[in-house]
Amino acid sequence: NAGVTQTPKFQVLKTGQSMTLQCAQDMNHNSMYWYRQDPGMGLRLIYYSASEGTTDKGEVPNGYNVSRLNKREFSLRLESAAPSQTSVYFCASSEHRGWSYEQYFGPGTRLTVT
Amino acid sequence: ILNVEQSPQSLHVQEGDSTNFTCSFPSSNFYALHWYRWETAKSPEALFVMTLNGDEKKKGRISATLNTKEGYSYLYIKGSQPEDSATYLCAFANAGGTSYGKLTFGQGTILTVHP
Repeated sequence: NAGVTQTPKFQVLKTGQSMTLQCAQDMNHNSMYWYRQDPGMGLRLIYYSASEGTTDKGEVPNGYNVSRLNKREFSLRLESAAPSQTSVYFCASSEHRGWSYEQYFGPGTRLTVT
Repeated sequence: ILNVEQSPQSLHVQEGDSTNFTCSFPSSNFYALHWYRWETAKSPEALFVMTLNGDEKKKGRISATLNTKEGYSYLYIKGSQPEDSATYLCAFANAGGTSYGKLTFGQGTILTVHP
């Protein structure tokens, strides 16, 4: 099993450009999450999807949109990138939405917006 | 915004030392406390998920305790080895309202074990 995979690994964007970060999991998990990680700050939740067909905002959703394409895939879209969105983005999944379920993380996407 | 604090921010120990660090979280509406280990250039990996006051979990030389009434959890590493060098993250799950299903992460404790 590959676990949680993310593409791309690295990306450089100019201000105003758009892009989609892709995430897929092969563990048949119901819940998926997008986090960003910035220096000096913990992982912050951007959006999550408790189950296929549902999405909900996290702590820092502004400037992002998400799509839960099917049970396996959860994508994060930046419509008009800003330098403040320079960060490392992690996708994660868990068996269910319940908090007692550990989360499994992908390898991350390092995004730079110039 | 929920406040999850970890201390110390960083820690340097010698191989063979035992060490511990703290995660503090709100004591109201507690549901679960997670610990993750995050090695450089890798992804965070779950160590423990703790849900009951007084819980103690152990995995090899690493163990954790939980006090939900006072809002803290300790992570202990016995006989640290260089391969234990990593950032240790805790994450708090709150049982209230719009927080359902979401984890709030602390900033992490960076552990460096010197040979």
